[in-house]
Amino acid sequence: EAGVAQSPRYKIIEKRQSVAFWCNPISGHATLYWYQQILGQGPKLLIQFQNNGVVDDSQLPKDRFSAERLKGVDSTLKIQPAKLEDSAVYLCASSRTVGGLKETQYFGPGTRLLVL
Amino acid sequence: AQTVTQSQPEMSVQEAETVTLSCTYDTSESDYYLFWYKQPPSRQMILVIRQEAYKQQNATENRFSVNFQKAAKSFSLKISDSQLGDAAMYFCAYRSPFYNQGGKLIFGQGTELSVKP
Repeated sequence: EAGVAQSPRYKIIEKRQSVAFWCNPISGHATLYWYQQILGQGPKLLIQFQNNGVVDDSQLPKDRFSAERLKGVDSTLKIQPAKLEDSAVYLCASSRTVGGLKETQYFGPGTRLLVL
Repeated sequence: AQTVTQSQPEMSVQEAETVTLSCTYDTSESDYYLFWYKQPPSRQMILVIRQEAYKQQNATENRFSVNFQKAAKSFSLKISDSQLGDAAMYFCAYRSPFYNQGGKLIFGQGTELSVKP
């Protein structure tokens, strides 16, 4: 079974530029999560999708961040315009469904973003 | 709101020895799940072990075991017979049942574990 795929793995941009990250979850997984992990901290949830609907985006800075999950499969996270404090690793995770302990979240390798 | 605290930023253990990583959490919920994740330098989060709050029996996965103290809201991870490959950042995480918060994970700050040969 293929794992969660993310691209690019690394990205360096200047502040005020835009950037997009892509995530392909494990086949058949209905739930997709985007987490932001700032250096030295634990990951923090940005947005959660159930199929192609948003379940939780309460911590997504909506003035600059946007995310979509077309057809309930792949997802894209965009930052426009980027700020220095957006430098972080962006982790994508997926699970089969939301309910129940059996629904382990599997993480991708992450995209490391550096904003100069 | 739920919080997770890992009070040990760094820990060190000799190869083949045992080490315990601490985690405390705060919640008013009675039903929840707790996890330990490992994050090596590659940054890939790997599930180590999980515990359902309603189970009194501590979870065990090979060399990894937990000491779950629900009343004290404590969830420590014990690694026995430590191996060089265990060196990584370890995160404790809390998850509410779906009907409360959609199943998102709330992570602690992490504990960096080094293993000395």
